[in-house]
Order: sequence, then structure tokens, then C-alpha cells
Amino acid sequence: GAGVSQSPSNKVTEKGKDVELRCDPISGHTALYWYRQSLGQGLEFLIYFQGNSAPDKSGLPSDRFSAERTGGSVSTLTIQRTQQEDSAVYLCASSLPTPGANVLTFGAGSRLTVL
Amino acid sequence: GENVEQHPSTLSVQEGDSAVIKCTYSDSASNYFPWYKQELGKRPQLIIDIRSNVGEKKDQRIAVTLNKTAKHFSLHITETQPEDSAVYFCAASSGGSNYKLTFGKGTLLTVNP
Repeated sequence: GAGVSQSPSNKVTEKGKDVELRCDPISGHTALYWYRQSLGQGLEFLIYFQGNSAPDKSGLPSDRFSAERTGGSVSTLTIQRTQQEDSAVYLCASSLPTPGANVLTFGAGSRLTVL
Repeated sequence: GENVEQHPSTLSVQEGDSAVIKCTYSDSASNYFPWYKQELGKRPQLIIDIRSNVGEKKDQRIAVTLNKTAKHFSLHITETQPEDSAVYFCAASSGGSNYKLTFGKGTLLTVNP
């Protein structure tokens, strides 16, 4: 596609429910990232995919968070048993890394509110 | 892992003045330093980047300087305009193919007409 698409754009859920957030990256972009943006907290790295594999999951906050990527394209971030502190904007980005540079193109984000 | 500190957290300037945002990083292996601009309600977008083999880079009214010895880099915006108002994030990359970008916490720049 022309850009990085994320869905849903907004999600309100009750504490304890599971949520799935979807990211459709730019076609041909091999790298895919999930970041979390909380108010005043900048962009917090969650996970990185190269193709379908995730060599770096170090940013996932707990075992309630998981992500997968299939076909080297679409990725899903799943949060189980959501907590109020999970409320944030979840940003997906994709890139085609070149030597010495890595320009990320971000999606519009999925705003998650846990009541 | 990499740690990126960004200052100030907020910056207010008069239209036409210059603005400077500073970042420091901890990983001496980092070699790619981009800056992203995020307007209110929008997604972050790259505005300028610099590689470690360059000390300064300019693009019209914006410039970035890098001091690898001191491990700090700065964004300079001259002749600021109201449309420059946004949150600016610095980042430093590490890992193979510079895959991992660690971002600073952001600077809210307000340009007053």
C-alpha cells in the first residue's frame, strides 16, 4: 500500500479483556516495528520484526503482550488481560533498512483505552 | 542498551527566532541519528537524519550537528514559523543494519506568532 495502515484507530475495552491491533506495512518493507506512545513518555520500543522473525522482543512489557507477523507483511500485536496502564497509542512503523540508515514510516496509530 | 536523553522537554520561542534541541546517547556503537517531527494528532515523520561519519547536515531552515566524542547531537531550526510547532523526537540507532531506534522523550516546540 501507499503507507502504513493500522486498525482499529481507536479501541475502548474493559480491564481484563484481550485486544488485537493490526498493522499493514508498506509493501516490500522487510522491517516492522511496534512502539508505544504514552503521554509524556516518548516512543517506547516494543518489538522488531525482520521478515517473519522477531530478533528483538526486548521491549514487550510483560508476557501479556505478544506479536506475530505473517507472510513478511501484516503484523498483529495482542494484549491479553488488559490493564489500565496499557492505555496508550500503539504505533507501527515499517522500513527498508539501507547501509547506515533506517528511515521508519509510521502508521497513524491505534489508540487503546482500558476502562 | 541504548539510552537517549533529550532536552528541553518544552520550548517556546517567538516567530523568527531560532530553536535548539539537544540529545545525548549512551551507546558508542550508535551510528545513525534521525529526527522526527510529530504534529498534534499526526504520526511522527522524519525531517532530517545524520550518519556518524558526518559532523553537520543542513536542509533549508533545519540543521543537525553531531559530536561523536561527546555522544551528543542537536537539532537547530532557524527563522521559526508557527507551522514548526510540534513535538520533536531525536533517536539513535544500534544493532546490525541500524535496526533498533531508541527515541528520546520528545520536545514540545511552540512558536508564538
